[in-house]
Amino acid sequence: EAQVTQNPRYLITVTGKKLTVTCSQNMNHEYMSWYRQDPGLGLRQIYYSMNVEVTDKGDVPEGYKVSRKEKRNFPLILESPSPNQTSLYFCASSLSQGHNEQFFGPGTRLTVL
Amino acid sequence: AQTVTQSQPEMSVQEAETVTLSCTYDTSESDYYLFWYKQPPSRQMILVIRQEAYKQQNATENRFSVNFQKAAKSFSLKISDSQLGDAAMYFCAYRRPAGGTSYGKLTFGQGTILTVHP
Repeated sequence: EAQVTQNPRYLITVTGKKLTVTCSQNMNHEYMSWYRQDPGLGLRQIYYSMNVEVTDKGDVPEGYKVSRKEKRNFPLILESPSPNQTSLYFCASSLSQGHNEQFFGPGTRLTVL
Repeated sequence: AQTVTQSQPEMSVQEAETVTLSCTYDTSESDYYLFWYKQPPSRQMILVIRQEAYKQQNATENRFSVNFQKAAKSFSLKISDSQLGDAAMYFCAYRRPAGGTSYGKLTFGQGTILTVHP
């Protein structure tokens, strides 16, 4: 089944404890992206990747890192999480940067205490 | 920068009735793409319908249709014969045309919570 998977789905952590949210797609998509969803703000792009080893900042990249060593994986790294990073996170992928159909993962609910 | 505005935080509709969700956007581009996504309580983002700005004809997908007014920069979603399963958060989104950086990015509105009453 073609899909985007994220792990973990739920995470409660404490300020400053490094964490990684994994994202994997099995559709051989070139373009992958991370969004965060906050009440009243909709979804905002954090980082994106056009292909392996090619990443760039989105609208809200502060406090986050990403890597794209393999085409299928695009992990989101929070080196020192803070309470303002409590949010719902989505990974998305599409065949290419210009392709209309973006497939979203199931979301990761992160709480930073 | 492009912005997308959904001015209705919440809407409600009776089952089998019709409801329209509003969306306006701001852009200086002439060619772009617009989308409506549905987010049910499961939180999954589901593409409902999309519209290419160069197409004058409004997109339709079964009970879902859009009213695309390019000059007014308006992109409303009409749901006909509403069903209980339509209850969800709905997001309007904009994507700029190909070329340049960040053109894969979706810019989302704030969302509208739709309640369907039996």
